[in-house]
Amino acid sequence: DAGVIQSPRHEVTEMGQEVTLRCKPISGHDYLFWYRQTMMRGLELLIYFNNNVPIDDSGMPEDRFSAKMPNASFSTLKIQPSEPRDSAVYFCASSLYLAGHTGELFFGEGSRLTVL
Amino acid sequence: AQKITQTQPGMFVQEKEAVTLDCTYDTSDPSYGLFWYKQPSSGEMIFLIYQGSYDQQNATEGRYSLNFQKARKSANLVISASQLGDSAMYFCAMRGFNDMRFGAGTRLTVKP
Repeated sequence: DAGVIQSPRHEVTEMGQEVTLRCKPISGHDYLFWYRQTMMRGLELLIYFNNNVPIDDSGMPEDRFSAKMPNASFSTLKIQPSEPRDSAVYFCASSLYLAGHTGELFFGEGSRLTVL
Repeated sequence: AQKITQTQPGMFVQEKEAVTLDCTYDTSDPSYGLFWYKQPSSGEMIFLIYQGSYDQQNATEGRYSLNFQKARKSANLVISASQLGDSAMYFCAMRGFNDMRFGAGTRLTVKP
Protein backbone atom coordinates (compact mmCIF):
# COMPACT_ATOMS: atom_id res chain seq x y z
CA ASP A 1 0.00 0.00 0.00
CA ALA A 2 1.18 3.50 -0.72
CA GLY A 3 2.10 5.56 2.30
CA VAL A 4 1.66 9.27 2.83
CA ILE A 5 2.98 11.09 -0.21
CA GLN A 6 4.41 14.59 0.03
CA SER A 7 5.66 16.88 -2.67
CA PRO A 8 7.99 18.50 -3.34
CA ARG A 9 10.69 16.70 -1.37
CA HIS A 10 12.95 19.75 -1.58
CA GLU A 11 12.11 23.35 -2.30
CA VAL A 12 14.48 26.28 -2.48
CA THR A 13 12.90 29.67 -2.94
CA GLU A 14 13.58 33.31 -2.38
CA MET A 15 12.10 35.44 0.33
CA GLY A 16 8.73 36.81 -0.65
CA GLN A 17 7.79 33.97 -2.94
CA GLU A 18 4.74 31.78 -2.48
CA VAL A 19 5.35 28.18 -1.44
CA THR A 20 2.82 25.36 -1.72
CA LEU A 21 3.43 21.98 -0.11
CA ARG A 22 1.23 19.05 -1.00
CA CYS A 23 0.15 15.91 0.75
CA LYS A 24 -1.77 12.79 -0.19
CA PRO A 25 -2.80 10.82 2.93
CA ILE A 26 -3.23 7.09 3.16
CA SER A 27 -6.56 6.07 1.66
CA GLY A 28 -9.23 5.65 4.30
CA HIS A 29 -7.49 7.68 6.97
CA ASP A 30 -9.73 10.32 8.50
CA TYR A 31 -7.12 12.47 10.23
CA LEU A 32 -4.46 14.58 8.57
CA PHE A 33 -1.74 16.53 10.37
CA TRP A 34 0.84 19.10 9.30
CA TYR A 35 4.01 19.43 11.40
CA ARG A 36 7.06 21.63 11.08
CA GLN A 37 10.46 20.44 12.30
CA THR A 38 13.39 22.71 13.10
CA MET A 39 16.44 22.27 15.28
CA MET A 40 15.37 25.07 17.57
CA ARG A 41 11.69 24.24 18.01
CA GLY A 42 11.53 20.51 17.35
CA LEU A 43 8.32 19.05 15.93
CA GLU A 44 5.53 21.59 16.03
CA LEU A 45 1.94 20.76 15.21
CA LEU A 46 0.67 23.37 12.78
CA ILE A 47 -2.84 22.20 11.99
CA TYR A 48 -4.88 19.04 11.76
CA PHE A 49 -8.02 17.97 9.96
CA ASN A 50 -10.68 15.40 10.72
CA ASN A 51 -12.80 14.28 7.78
CA ASN A 52 -11.42 17.20 5.74
CA VAL A 53 -12.49 19.78 8.35
CA PRO A 54 -9.80 21.83 10.13
CA ILE A 55 -10.08 21.10 13.83
CA ASP A 56 -7.24 23.08 15.37
CA ASP A 57 -5.06 25.60 13.57
CA SER A 58 -3.68 27.25 16.69
CA GLY A 59 -0.20 26.10 15.75
CA MET A 60 -0.13 28.01 12.48
CA PRO A 61 2.50 30.65 13.16
CA GLU A 62 1.11 33.58 11.22
CA ASP A 63 -1.46 34.64 8.68
CA ARG A 64 1.15 33.93 6.04
CA PHE A 65 0.41 30.25 6.59
CA SER A 66 -2.74 28.59 5.34
CA ALA A 67 -3.84 24.99 4.88
CA LYS A 68 -6.66 23.38 3.00
CA MET A 69 -8.08 19.92 2.55
CA PRO A 70 -10.52 20.07 -0.36
CA ASN A 71 -11.10 16.31 -0.32
CA ALA A 72 -10.10 13.18 1.55
CA SER A 73 -7.11 12.50 -0.64
CA PHE A 74 -5.38 15.86 -0.84
CA SER A 75 -4.14 18.67 1.38
CA THR A 76 -1.99 21.74 0.85
CA LEU A 77 0.04 23.96 3.11
CA LYS A 78 0.73 27.38 1.66
CA ILE A 79 3.14 30.04 2.81
CA GLN A 80 2.76 33.48 1.29
CA PRO A 81 4.98 35.42 1.39
CA SER A 82 7.78 33.13 2.54
CA GLU A 83 10.55 34.29 4.87
CA PRO A 84 13.96 32.78 5.73
CA ARG A 85 12.69 31.78 9.19
CA ASP A 86 10.18 29.47 7.50
CA SER A 87 13.06 27.21 6.46
CA ALA A 88 12.30 23.80 7.96
CA VAL A 89 11.17 20.29 7.17
CA TYR A 90 7.41 20.11 6.86
CA PHE A 91 5.81 16.75 7.57
CA CYS A 92 2.36 15.56 6.67
CA ALA A 93 0.92 12.62 8.59
CA SER A 94 -2.35 10.74 8.52
CA SER A 95 -4.10 8.34 10.86
CA LEU A 96 -7.21 6.29 11.36
CA TYR A 97 -9.00 6.74 14.64
CA LEU A 98 -9.99 3.39 16.10
CA ALA A 99 -12.27 2.99 19.09
CA GLY A 100 -10.14 2.10 22.10
CA HIS A 101 -6.92 2.84 20.27
CA THR A 102 -5.95 6.38 19.51
CA GLY A 103 -4.14 5.43 16.33
CA GLU A 104 -0.52 6.02 15.38
CA LEU A 105 0.41 8.61 12.80
CA PHE A 106 1.89 7.57 9.49
CA PHE A 107 4.31 10.19 8.25
CA GLY A 108 5.31 11.25 4.79
CA GLU A 109 8.98 11.68 3.98
CA GLY A 110 8.78 15.41 4.53
CA SER A 111 9.31 18.50 2.41
CA ARG A 112 12.53 20.34 3.11
CA LEU A 113 12.00 24.06 2.53
CA THR A 114 14.83 26.54 2.24
CA VAL A 115 13.96 30.21 1.93
CA LEU A 116 16.89 32.39 0.87
CA ALA B 1 -2.93 21.36 27.55
CA GLN B 2 -0.81 18.36 26.81
CA LYS B 3 2.89 18.46 27.55
CA ILE B 4 5.59 15.93 26.73
CA THR B 5 9.01 16.15 28.35
CA GLN B 6 12.16 14.34 27.29
CA THR B 7 14.97 15.43 29.58
CA GLN B 8 17.84 13.63 27.85
CA PRO B 9 19.07 15.58 24.82
CA GLY B 10 21.63 12.88 24.08
CA MET B 11 22.43 9.36 25.24
CA PHE B 12 25.25 6.94 24.55
CA VAL B 13 25.06 3.17 24.84
CA GLN B 14 27.45 0.38 24.09
CA GLU B 15 26.44 -2.04 21.38
CA LYS B 16 24.50 -5.04 22.72
CA GLU B 17 23.60 -3.27 25.95
CA ALA B 18 20.14 -2.05 26.97
CA VAL B 19 19.21 1.63 27.19
CA THR B 20 16.27 3.53 28.65
CA LEU B 21 15.01 6.77 27.14
CA ASP B 22 12.93 8.87 29.49
CA CYS B 23 9.57 10.48 28.79
CA THR B 24 7.11 12.17 31.11
CA TYR B 25 3.79 13.66 30.15
CA ASP B 26 0.98 15.75 31.46
CA THR B 27 -2.61 15.71 30.31
CA SER B 28 -6.13 16.18 31.58
CA ASP B 29 -7.60 13.75 29.06
CA PRO B 30 -8.92 10.59 30.77
CA SER B 31 -7.99 8.48 27.76
CA TYR B 32 -4.83 8.87 25.76
CA GLY B 33 -2.17 7.03 23.84
CA LEU B 34 1.58 7.17 24.20
CA PHE B 35 3.88 6.59 21.25
CA TRP B 36 7.54 6.38 20.43
CA TYR B 37 8.97 7.27 17.04
CA LYS B 38 12.47 6.86 15.64
CA GLN B 39 14.01 9.35 13.24
CA PRO B 40 17.25 8.18 11.66
CA SER B 41 19.62 10.58 9.93
CA SER B 42 17.73 10.03 6.68
CA GLY B 43 14.84 11.96 8.21
CA GLU B 44 11.83 9.68 8.04
CA MET B 45 9.62 9.17 11.09
CA ILE B 46 9.25 5.52 12.04
CA PHE B 47 6.60 4.36 14.49
CA LEU B 48 8.02 2.02 17.13
CA ILE B 49 5.54 1.28 19.89
CA TYR B 50 2.19 2.28 21.37
CA GLN B 51 0.74 2.21 24.90
CA GLY B 52 -2.87 2.97 25.69
CA SER B 53 -3.65 4.71 28.95
CA TYR B 54 -5.98 1.90 30.02
CA ASP B 55 -3.66 -0.92 29.03
CA GLN B 56 -2.76 -3.01 32.04
CA GLN B 57 0.43 -4.45 30.62
CA ASN B 58 3.46 -2.69 29.28
CA ALA B 59 3.71 -2.75 25.50
CA THR B 60 6.47 -4.69 23.79
CA GLU B 61 7.55 -4.83 20.14
CA GLY B 62 10.59 -6.96 19.52
CA ARG B 63 13.56 -5.27 21.18
CA TYR B 64 11.42 -2.29 22.21
CA SER B 65 9.38 -2.13 25.39
CA LEU B 66 7.55 0.71 27.01
CA ASN B 67 7.84 1.09 30.76
CA PHE B 68 4.48 2.71 31.54
CA GLN B 69 3.97 4.13 35.02
CA LYS B 70 0.62 5.89 34.94
CA ALA B 71 0.74 7.33 38.45
CA ARG B 72 4.10 8.90 37.69
CA LYS B 73 2.99 9.92 34.20
CA SER B 74 6.01 8.37 32.64
CA ALA B 75 6.40 6.27 29.50
CA ASN B 76 10.03 5.33 29.13
CA LEU B 77 11.31 3.43 26.10
CA VAL B 78 13.62 0.51 26.73
CA ILE B 79 15.74 -0.78 23.86
CA SER B 80 17.36 -4.10 24.57
CA ALA B 81 20.49 -5.43 22.89
CA SER B 82 21.32 -2.13 21.16
CA GLN B 83 22.51 -2.26 17.57
CA LEU B 84 24.49 0.27 15.57
CA GLY B 85 21.38 0.87 13.48
CA ASP B 86 19.56 2.12 16.57
CA SER B 87 21.55 5.36 16.44
CA ALA B 88 18.89 7.99 15.75
CA MET B 89 16.62 10.60 17.29
CA TYR B 90 13.81 9.18 19.39
CA PHE B 91 10.60 11.06 20.02
CA CYS B 92 7.98 10.41 22.64
CA ALA B 93 4.47 11.53 21.72
CA MET B 94 1.04 11.61 23.26
CA ARG B 95 -2.33 11.64 21.62
CA GLY B 96 -5.49 12.60 23.42
CA PHE B 97 -8.86 12.67 21.73
CA ASN B 98 -7.54 14.23 18.56
CA ASP B 99 -4.13 15.76 18.18
CA MET B 100 -0.67 14.34 18.80
CA ARG B 101 2.13 16.29 20.47
CA PHE B 102 5.80 15.39 20.50
CA GLY B 103 8.62 15.80 22.98
CA ALA B 104 11.90 17.47 22.09
CA GLY B 105 13.57 14.15 21.36
CA THR B 106 16.63 12.25 22.54
CA ARG B 107 19.58 11.57 20.26
CA LEU B 108 20.83 8.05 20.87
CA THR B 109 24.30 7.03 19.78
CA VAL B 110 25.28 3.37 19.86
CA LYS B 111 29.01 2.78 20.24
CA PRO B 112 30.66 -0.27 18.68
